[in-house]
Amino acid sequence: KNEVEQSPQNLTAQEGEFITINCSYSVGISALHWLQQHPGGGIVSLFMLSSGKKKHGRLIATINIQEKHSSLHITASHPRDSAVYICAVIRVNTGNQFYFGTGTSLTVIP
Amino acid sequence: DAMVIQNPRYQVTQFGKPVTLSCSQTLNHNVMYWYQQKSSQAPKLLFHYYDKDFNNEADTPDNFQSRRPNTSFCFLDIRSPGLGDTAMYLCATSRDRGATNEKLFFGSGTQLSVL
Repeated sequence: KNEVEQSPQNLTAQEGEFITINCSYSVGISALHWLQQHPGGGIVSLFMLSSGKKKHGRLIATINIQEKHSSLHITASHPRDSAVYICAVIRVNTGNQFYFGTGTSLTVIP
Repeated sequence: DAMVIQNPRYQVTQFGKPVTLSCSQTLNHNVMYWYQQKSSQAPKLLFHYYDKDFNNEADTPDNFQSRRPNTSFCFLDIRSPGLGDTAMYLCATSRDRGATNEKLFFGSGTQLSVL
């Protein structure tokens, strides 16, 4: 079983919809990252969280350390948001060991 | 401007023919990572360098080697590629390791196909 689970695996939304992608993890962490990977492209780091909430433009990321859960929200979704969104955690006491979820593939239809 | 640059973008090689993938960074980061990402799977850490200190993951095949001749460059050498090594290879950097404030910066990846 993967230490990091994401849901849903695939998501299709209409342009303008509010989108939520969830990440649950089963290990103690020091930080959690949300990453974006476009088809055939590299990975861009969106957020790094160790507590609370962060907002950047239309993107909002939250984390609940006690519940071992994080969410990525996209408001007013747009076709250019279509990508794979990956949750990655840094386990405590492992230095730089990042553990990745398998990603959520988002398609936003015009 | 790209800060982590990987070359080539696409690489095709024959079964058993050695191949080298390259990664360079303009961030002057201490840590450089190599990840392997197969289709529909999460990236898997192969190894990382902390400055000149090489750290291999326990389950990384011996077929995979790495070199970091200086701060800016890191190479992934696959000595005898097998069909199962077909994957996207991602290079990433971070300023330091282990700190909760470290962001990862990724290159665009090299898609390797072994025929």
